[in-house]
Amino acid sequence: NAGVTQTPKFQVLKTGQSMTLQCAQDMNHEYMSWYRQDPGMGLRLIHYSVGAGITDQGEVPNGYNVSRSTTEDFPLRLLSAAPSQTSVYFCASRTGLAGAETQYFGPGTRLLVL
Amino acid sequence: AQKVTQAQTEISVVEKEDVTLDCVYETRDTTYYLFWYKQPPSGELVFLIRRNSFDEQNEISGRYSWNFQKSTSSFNFTITASQVVDSAVYFCALWNSGGYQKVTFGTGTKLQVIP
Repeated sequence: NAGVTQTPKFQVLKTGQSMTLQCAQDMNHEYMSWYRQDPGMGLRLIHYSVGAGITDQGEVPNGYNVSRSTTEDFPLRLLSAAPSQTSVYFCASRTGLAGAETQYFGPGTRLLVL
Repeated sequence: AQKVTQAQTEISVVEKEDVTLDCVYETRDTTYYLFWYKQPPSGELVFLIRRNSFDEQNEISGRYSWNFQKSTSSFNFTITASQVVDSAVYFCALWNSGGYQKVTFGTGTKLQVIP
C-alpha cells in the first residue's frame, strides 16, 4: 500500500492563480480530510469528507473547495490564491467515521503564494 | 468546545537526557481520545499513540512513555535517554464524541536533542 499520497510536494503561485492539490489513498478509507499547518497554529481542519459524494467544511474553509467523486481521491482546490494561503497542506484519511480512529497523513504540500 | 494546550514551544536537551512534553486538554465530553504525533524535519506526520478516556494506564513503548491523568486533564509524553533522531515537533491531539469530523491539535512542541 502506498498509503496517503499528495502531489505536488512544493508549489509557488502568484496571487489570483488557481490550482488543485491532489490527495489519494489506497486503504479504502471512508473518511478523508485536509488540514493546513501554520507556524504556531498547529493543524487546522479545512474540509473533510465522510464518503464519496459527501463533503463538509472544517474550521477554516474560506478560499478552498473540495469534491469527492471516488473513495480514493480528495482534491483541494484554491480558486484564487492569496498570500494568506501560504502554508503546508496535509491530507489525511482514516477507516471509520468516528474520530477515534487513527488518522494517516500524507507527506504534505508546501505552498507559497506570492 | 475542546482545546489542547502544549505550553512548551521549544525544548532543547542534551543527548541521553530524559525529557517530558506536556499536553493539557479541555473537553466536556466523557468519551474522548488523545493522540500524539511526531513531525520530524522531513515534514511527515507520524502517529505515535492513541489513548481513550476510559484507560488511564500508563503506556510504555521502548524509550517512549505516556502518562494520562484525567484528574489534571493531562496526557504527557516522556522520552527516556533522548537521541538526536528524536528531534522533531510533537503534536498532541484530542477527539471527542461530540464531533466525529474534528480532531483538535495542539500547537506543537519542538524538541531539539543536542549531541
